[in-house]
Amino acid sequence: EVQLLESGGGLVQPGGSLRLSCAASGFTFSSYAMSWVRQAPGKGLEWVSGILVSGNTFYADSVKGRFTISRDNSKNTLYLQMNSLRAEDTAVFYCTKSPTQATVTAYYAYWGQGTLVTVSS
Amino acid sequence: DIQVTQSPSSLSASVGDRVTITCRASQSISSYLHWYQQKPGKAPKLLIYAASNLQSGVPSRFSGSGSGTHFTLTIISLQPEDFATYYCQQSYSTPGTFGQGTKVEIK
Repeated sequence: EVQLLESGGGLVQPGGSLRLSCAASGFTFSSYAMSWVRQAPGKGLEWVSGILVSGNTFYADSVKGRFTISRDNSKNTLYLQMNSLRAEDTAVFYCTKSPTQATVTAYYAYWGQGTLVTVSS
Repeated sequence: DIQVTQSPSSLSASVGDRVTITCRASQSISSYLHWYQQKPGKAPKLLIYAASNLQSGVPSRFSGSGSGTHFTLTIISLQPEDFATYYCQQSYSTPGTFGQGTKVEIK
């Protein structure tokens, strides 16, 4: 059974940093592209960042230069390093699995339970 | 970025009703359109992928159709557990973008 378990969310001041983790199990993590999708309170879904098996990374314009996605295939874990956080980054962040290794832009059949990031002073 | 626009933004319906939600893309996206259901406090759940393919385990009362720029999600005979928010998503180009959501409420 595919499982994605996010952690690392919390309250952080504007300008601060946070690192999210997503522990994956139930599939060969190293063989699939992965992404982060977020949802601000009461709002819709926004794709944030993705990483291919090759290590190539992709970002939404809203986070480019501030967020860094990475993966550790030996630990079956996906990360999102978030710097220079802003109030508008407040959201639940979900870890998602692509159906292939080839693209981060796909449908997502598997989602974690989400971790809440609150940026506030 | 490709914009995807859902309509309506909300609707009220009764158990047993037929419900249709529309998603329009700002340019042709072939069949790279997917539908999700989300309930409060939960992660989205994939219902339909590639416009018309029913995800494993999803009841057959859900169906999707369309191609190019116009897509629909249909729920025949709405059930109590179907009251939720529905999102479409395009994966034709990066970034994959989501519609703004359609909240299906009990009449």
